[in-house]
Amino acid sequence: LAKTTQPISMDSYEGQEVNITCSHNNIATNDYITWYQQFPSQGPRFIIQGYKTKVTNEVASLFIPADRKSSTLSLPRVSLSDTAVYYCLAQNTGGFKTIFGAGTRLFVKA
Amino acid sequence: ETGVTQTPRHLVMGMTNKKSLKCEQHLGHNAMYWYKQSAKKPLELMFVYSLEERVENNSVPSRFSPECPNSSHLFLHLHTLQPEDSALYLCASSQDLDRDNEKLFFGSGTQLSVL
Repeated sequence: LAKTTQPISMDSYEGQEVNITCSHNNIATNDYITWYQQFPSQGPRFIIQGYKTKVTNEVASLFIPADRKSSTLSLPRVSLSDTAVYYCLAQNTGGFKTIFGAGTRLFVKA
Repeated sequence: ETGVTQTPRHLVMGMTNKKSLKCEQHLGHNAMYWYKQSAKKPLELMFVYSLEERVENNSVPSRFSPECPNSSHLFLHLHTLQPEDSALYLCASSQDLDRDNEKLFFGSGTQLSVL
């Protein structure tokens, strides 16, 4: 399981673009990078997943450089409701050993 | 709505009580999980089931007893719990266990308080 490192917390303002970078220096060839979002007293919610280059969906974009040793989750024009904990995972063993770290606490201010 | 439903949403129990947490998934998935999340701590994987067979027991005390009668339902039976067992208990499911790009779908959790 590749160890991931991400900022403990970040602050932003409504309407801004937020980029959260995750470091995974020992990522393995068949590891995928997956991001989850968690609101207080709720379960994590899958946001986006990628292997390399760029992935975009209706919620976010995920940028992965060629060496795959880091990734950046980009949230366009955040709102107050985007205040949550965001988890970065880099692993390949399916759900069997999905291990969550401390995540990044994003606080969006008005 | 993620397709994973947990009941009850909140539970308060004494240390001598016996209670059960229920999880149901409507996604046709083959794997189900129990996680524990204590205040301000990362999620801890407790149990993993694949096709109703337990494949992981992460050194969880015997006062927690899981049951998976079929691939859509998962229970966590609780007895003689301790106050430090108070936490958010989360159920999750995934299509399978052996794909590199597996995704987890979580329920809303049961907030458990042990008095």
